[in-house]
Amino acid sequence: GENVEQHPSTLSVQEGDSAVIKCTYSDSASNYFPWYKQELGKRPQLIIDIRSNVGEKKDQRIAVTLNKTAKHFSLHITETQPEDSAVYFCAARRLNTNAGKSTFGDGTTLTVKP
Amino acid sequence: DARVTQTPRHKVTEMGQEVTMRCQPILGHNTVFWYRQTMMQGLELLAYFRNRAPLDDSGMPKDRFSAEMPDATLATLKIQPSEPRDSAVYFCASGLVPNEQFFGPGTRLTVL
Repeated sequence: GENVEQHPSTLSVQEGDSAVIKCTYSDSASNYFPWYKQELGKRPQLIIDIRSNVGEKKDQRIAVTLNKTAKHFSLHITETQPEDSAVYFCAARRLNTNAGKSTFGDGTTLTVKP
Repeated sequence: DARVTQTPRHKVTEMGQEVTMRCQPILGHNTVFWYRQTMMQGLELLAYFRNRAPLDDSGMPKDRFSAEMPDATLATLKIQPSEPRDSAVYFCASGLVPNEQFFGPGTRLTVL
C-alpha cells in the first residue's frame, strides 16, 4: 500500500516569510496529491491539489510542486500571515481507480508569528 | 453550498456504553470515508464505502466498531462497547470518484 511521510512536523515562521512543507510517497502509481489545511477545532479543508501530469500549480500565495521521479511533493506558502497558522496535511492517491482512498501524511503544525 | 453533516458534534459517554455517530454525505457523492483523529495517531482511515458497499474497513477494530450505510444519505459508525481509548474526533468525508473528498465537521467523542 501507499506510505506518505511528511516533514517537518512543526514549523514556525515570522509573518511575511515563506513556509515549505515536504512529503514523500511510496506508490509510483499515485497520481493525485491534495493538501489540506485544518484550523484548530475545525475540519480539514482542501486548499490546493496537483495531478501527476503537471509539475507545479499556484493559487495566489500557495503553490505545490511535484517531482514524480523522486516521488516527492511540496507545499509552498509565501508572504505568510497569522491566519495561515494551522495543521497542514498532504495526501496521495490513485485517481480513476476503484480504490479512491487517500493516504495522509502525519501533518505539519505551522505557526506564523506576527 | 453543499456540505457533509455529522451528528452529534460532541458526545460524552461512560465506558461500556454504545455510541452511534451519523453522517450525511453530500448529495450525489458515491464514496464515504470514516476517519479518526487523535493527537498521537493523526488521521486514521477506519472504513470507506463506495456506492454504499464497504470497500475497506481494515483500519477499524472489528470487535467493537461497525460501519454501515443503510441508504445513500446516511452513514453510521457504531462503537459497542466504548472504551476510554476511543476518545477522539471522528470525521466523515464524502466524495465523487475520481474527485476529491470533503470532510464533515467531526464528532468529538469523550469516553470516561
